[in-house]
Amino acid sequence: AQSVSQHNHHVILSEAASLELGCNYSYGGTVNLFWYVQYPGQHLQLLLKYFSGDPLVKGIKGFEAEFIKSKFSFNLRKPSVQWSDTAEYFCAVHNAGNMLTFGGGTRLMVKP
Amino acid sequence: NAGVTQTPKFRILKIGQSMTLQCTQDMNHNYMYWYRQDPGMGLKLIYYSVGAGITDKGEVPNGYNVSRSTTEDFPLRLELAAPSQTSVYFCASSYSGIEKPQETQYFGPGTRLLVL
Repeated sequence: AQSVSQHNHHVILSEAASLELGCNYSYGGTVNLFWYVQYPGQHLQLLLKYFSGDPLVKGIKGFEAEFIKSKFSFNLRKPSVQWSDTAEYFCAVHNAGNMLTFGGGTRLMVKP
Repeated sequence: NAGVTQTPKFRILKIGQSMTLQCTQDMNHNYMYWYRQDPGMGLKLIYYSVGAGITDKGEVPNGYNVSRSTTEDFPLRLELAAPSQTSVYFCASSYSGIEKPQETQYFGPGTRLLVL
């Protein structure tokens, strides 16, 4: 069975700091990888996804993620965070024949 | 399009009570899902449906039931509420699922349930 690990449960940053949220998955075959974001009081929405091609994926609001197959990782990055990035971030993996599997989430707080 | 809508937004239940969480999507998606979100645990799949009349268990189905009589609606029923079912419940939908895992799922706003 596939699983997803997000190492940081809580991250606190000041505005303009750089962000990297870790995500590792366990599945040896072809994977499709997602980052979803949940802003306070709102529903989950897609930030970005990878399913083929360039392993560096750019999403909305300046976020990007890099798929490193050899490390089974799909870390999320942003060069300079803003207060409005305060949210919970979920990594998820999906492969043919299985359902979407989510990591435990990382709560990001950005201090103004 | 309204996307995925859920009602109610918040509910308090007593142990042993029953209730139905409603979910509707207007995107003509085939797949619909129910997840529960517990702190630090991410989202766990309760049930899913690949089309009207077809449902299947997810990772944590015990204590829940679903039905899918139409493409648009996918209600989740709790028959005998227990404190362990205190959680936030999200409904989601996608056009396809297992066979096209690159498809994005679209989520509703969630229902916060407290069982006392």
